[in-house]
Amino acid sequence: AQSVTQLDSQVPVFEEAPVELRCNYSSSVSVYLFWYVQYPNQGLQLLLKYLSGSTLVKGINGFEAEFNKSQTSFHLRKPSVHISDTAEYFCAVSDIRTGGGADGLTFGKGTHLIIQP
Amino acid sequence: DGGITQSPKYLFRKEGQNVTLSCEQNLNHDAMYWYRQDPGQGLRLIYYSQIVNDFQKGDIAEGYSVSREKKESFPLTVTSAQKNPTAFYLCASKKLGGTQYFGPGTRLLVL
Repeated sequence: AQSVTQLDSQVPVFEEAPVELRCNYSSSVSVYLFWYVQYPNQGLQLLLKYLSGSTLVKGINGFEAEFNKSQTSFHLRKPSVHISDTAEYFCAVSDIRTGGGADGLTFGKGTHLIIQP
Repeated sequence: DGGITQSPKYLFRKEGQNVTLSCEQNLNHDAMYWYRQDPGQGLRLIYYSQIVNDFQKGDIAEGYSVSREKKESFPLTVTSAQKNPTAFYLCASKKLGGTQYFGPGTRLLVL
């Protein structure tokens, strides 16, 4: 079984400032890692994913994340945020053995990113 | 356009009533999923199906039922046994070995 911890339930940031959203996971097996974004009253949209290879992953909307196996972390970063980045962000993992999550994803509780003008 | 559709966008349930949420995908994805989202709780897996006519319980299946008679469709029934059904319900699908994509969601409210 896996678990995901997003330590910050809310992160307020000023517009054009950098941001880091933290994600730590626990698993006894190798995992794939994902970040999703959710705008109000909408479904989830994939931002980026780590399956293998380079530990620095670039996604959409200028976001990137770095996989750190020793610290079991997958923190999401953006160098300069915009008002439009205000949303809920979810970190998720899946078990590599099940074909990358054929039995579903395990999600963190989410981080609400609030961009202040 | 290819994608995942969920209907209705809002659904109201009376006490003791069963309601069914629709999820359809035209992406030719093999696996489909239902998640429940509550404020501050993240998403929790209700049921999933990797193939037609087969499905498995997720972490919070009690009070829910599903069917998978067609590859494109995975309806979720919230039964009267589910005592706290108010939530945002999200359907997802994926090719085996691929990435999960999500529908727009259905918000269920109890009258």
